[in-house]
Amino acid sequence: GAVVSQHPSRVICKSGTSVKIECRSLDFQATTMFWYRQFPKQSLMLMATSNEGSKATYEQGVEKDKFLINHASLTLSTLTVTSAHPEDSSFYICSANIIRQGESNEKLFFGSGTQLSVL
Amino acid sequence: GEDVEQSLFLSVREGDSSVINCTYTDSSSTYLYWYKQEPGAGLQLLTYIFSNMDMKQDQRLTVLLNKKDKHLSLRIADTQTGDSAIYFCAEISGTYKYIFGTGTRLKVLA
Repeated sequence: GAVVSQHPSRVICKSGTSVKIECRSLDFQATTMFWYRQFPKQSLMLMATSNEGSKATYEQGVEKDKFLINHASLTLSTLTVTSAHPEDSSFYICSANIIRQGESNEKLFFGSGTQLSVL
Repeated sequence: GEDVEQSLFLSVREGDSSVINCTYTDSSSTYLYWYKQEPGAGLQLLTYIFSNMDMKQDQRLTVLLNKKDKHLSLRIADTQTGDSAIYFCAEISGTYKYIFGTGTRLKVLA
């Protein structure tokens, strides 16, 4: 079953408004979560690494004031797109690293994604 | 650079085998992964391989790894229409970040 829950799955908003996307880890604690952005027919672009209890680490070229990340608990990270513009329209996906008991390597599990459309 | 390369498209007939190729960049990657993405959805982990292995088989999936050439492939046996999706390979870079390939769009013809 799903280990990472993301919602909403789709959101349409007016230009200038803010949109919050939630990413929850189910049945495990995630000290680190990742936020990706995906343009149509393209690969995933890492936007930022969300760290529980501390500031997020943003990739080069990603505006931290535009894309606010909060990781206040071990099971929840949120991405807020502030003052959204049409060019922010995209597919946003969160993920979390998990090392399951008895396994030797970590695996990255993804949320189902959020399609943001800014009018 | 950090580009993990894949061919963009692959089209196969139902029942045939599909082979999706990937050229990665970091020879120190410990694990390499294959993910599947269906339209409008997140990525689903399909399988992975440890870097000291040459091959891993998991039901219809076979992963081949050529470390010398930094080449990874995913073979899907008896391809079904439900296998139509985008497939991404991924490595973990030296900076402990996942680097995803460009994605291969697999289309299965009935």
